[in-house]
Amino acid sequence: SQQGEEDPQALSIQEGENATMNCSYKTSINNLQWYRQNSGRGLVHLILIRSNEREKHSGRLRVTLDTSKKSSSLLITASRAADTASYFCATQTASSYKLIFGSGTRLLVRP
Amino acid sequence: DGGITQSPKYLFRKEGQNVTLSCEQNLNHDAMYWYRQDPGQGLRLIYYSQIVNDFQKGDIAEGYSVSREKKESFPLTVTSAQKNPTAFYLCASRTNRDNTEAFFGQGTRLTVV
Repeated sequence: SQQGEEDPQALSIQEGENATMNCSYKTSINNLQWYRQNSGRGLVHLILIRSNEREKHSGRLRVTLDTSKKSSSLLITASRAADTASYFCATQTASSYKLIFGSGTRLLVRP
Repeated sequence: DGGITQSPKYLFRKEGQNVTLSCEQNLNHDAMYWYRQDPGQGLRLIYYSQIVNDFQKGDIAEGYSVSREKKESFPLTVTSAQKNPTAFYLCASRTNRDNTEAFFGQGTRLTVV
């Protein structure tokens, strides 16, 4: 079973706009991670937020975590055509080495 | 260069045949993972290994087998018992320290012909 579910499944925006993706999960976690996948390629790690953190920034990325709602969001500011990819959240629980991925959001940034 | 390597990139298999996908890492990572990805879908965990000579089933282990005889290597065998093996297979590794990210290979696309 998938721990994380992303919303929306697909998102199309104009270059320069912001993109927001959401992730919900079911059980208590140790951390939540966001990854990016270009079509037909492996995943690349973007950012990790620990369960005791509420917000984290990395360049144009901002991640928030609300453990009371079991949800996280990824904001990409000032999007570029090169940001076009699929984005996945992944969770790791404290009691397991499992890394469980959500279903992903496909982002299209139109030039 | 440090990294995680999957081979081959493309693999074709006849129905009823077993096939083994290779995954090698030189990152000195203890934990390794195998995921399956179907078109337009997320990643589903097949098997994972925290340490040499130990591995655990993930959510969709039926029809698959693995071994972890060396720290660097975690091969996945897709057996004839796997009813729908055509998919994109991804291998990943990470350290066993808390709150660390996973590193992924470039994937193997398996097609049953």
